[in-house]
Amino acid sequence: AQSVTQPDIHITVSEGASLELRCNYSYGATPYLFWYVQSPGQGLQLLLKYFSGDTLVQGIKGFEAEFKRSQSSFNLRKPSVHWSDAAEYFCAVGALSNQAGTALIFGKGTTLSVSS
Amino acid sequence: GAVVSQHPSWVICKSGTSVKIECRSLDFQATTMFWYRQFPKKSLMLMATSNEGSKATYEQGVEKDKFLINHASLTLSTLTVTSAHPEDSSFYICSAPTSYGEQFFGPGTRLTVL
Repeated sequence: AQSVTQPDIHITVSEGASLELRCNYSYGATPYLFWYVQSPGQGLQLLLKYFSGDTLVQGIKGFEAEFKRSQSSFNLRKPSVHWSDAAEYFCAVGALSNQAGTALIFGKGTTLSVSS
Repeated sequence: GAVVSQHPSWVICKSGTSVKIECRSLDFQATTMFWYRQFPKKSLMLMATSNEGSKATYEQGVEKDKFLINHASLTLSTLTVTSAHPEDSSFYICSAPTSYGEQFFGPGTRLTVL
């Protein structure tokens, strides 16, 4: 079955500390992986995506993620968290199609709180 | 990147009324669009795939008579929540893939049914 698992429901990090959010996936085809961030009452903002090539991808706001095929993981990292990073983070997987595209499968999300 | 809009962004309605939500791809054409539903503090769940020129494909457990989807053109899909009830209150998000398959999400529509 195709699925995305985000093991951590809620994480609290001190401002300035490093962050790693975990994501594991199960997908039959070659995965196309995403991390989105969502602030309360807002839509999704794409942080970064991976399709192919370099397994370490850089995104916006200082985030990066590393694709590890052997571990079926796509963990999100940031070296120094800012208070404004507090939000809900979703990992998603899909397949890249040249035609209609496919819907994404989302993880349940990880809530990030930042303490001062 | 490509832009997807949704209208309205927030709607409050009385129980029993119908509500239409629009999803538009502003600068590209999309033969397929996707509708997701998000409950508070929950993940996005795919409701249906909207197909231009043909019937929508609904996910298991989604009532197609309740959630009517019409893909009127290559840039517009509409989701109509018929006879809305408080349990239909949710955040509805659409997405559209470009011709090379990358997904772009709309900003979402918050529906509150009183």
